[in-house]
Amino acid sequence: LAKTTQPISMDSYEGQEVNITCSHNNIATNDYITWYQQFPSQGPRFIIQGYKTKVTNEVASLFIPADRKSSTLSLPRVSLSDTAVYYCLVGDLPGGTSYGKLTFGQGTILTVHP
Amino acid sequence: DTEVTQTPKHLVMGMTNKKSLKCEQHMGHRAMYWYKQKAKKPPELMFVYSYEKLSINESVPSRFSPECPNSSLLNLHLHALQPEDSALYLCASSQAPSGSYEQYFGPGTRLTVT
Repeated sequence: LAKTTQPISMDSYEGQEVNITCSHNNIATNDYITWYQQFPSQGPRFIIQGYKTKVTNEVASLFIPADRKSSTLSLPRVSLSDTAVYYCLVGDLPGGTSYGKLTFGQGTILTVHP
Repeated sequence: DTEVTQTPKHLVMGMTNKKSLKCEQHMGHRAMYWYKQKAKKPPELMFVYSYEKLSINESVPSRFSPECPNSSLLNLHLHALQPEDSALYLCASSQAPSGSYEQYFGPGTRLTVT
């Protein structure tokens, strides 16, 4: 599994767009990039997953450049309730040699201020 | 129903006790997981069950014994734990096999070993 590097913490204000970048220089051809969100004393929640270019859903966008050595999670117009830890994960899809195995990195603590 | 439930929410046990953690999901998922999370650390995978069979054991000590009695239930039996086993124990489930890393997590059981 490719190692990921994220900023330890970030601060933002309500209504701003937040971009969290994850580095994964050793990403393999079959690896996908997945992001999770975790609030204190709760289990992580899946946000988004992608392989290349751009993926968008109702809560976030994921930007992946052509070399795939990094990715950026974009949260539009954050609110106080977006204060959480955000994890970037990289790995082969379940069903391959890393079946269902999520390996969490240290994560980024995002704090949204009023 | 996209919920994973875990009981109990909190558990305090002595080092000589035997206790069990329970996890239940009714989403028809055939993969279920146990994770351990220490304070201010990312979750760490312990076990993966696929179609009610143990497929991954991350070299977890034998004082932790998982059990999957049916496709909706996952138990973690605890015996002779150590104080350093105190942590948040998270259960998760996902479709299997799956082309996604989307796992649904429960709220966790906060375990304290005295």
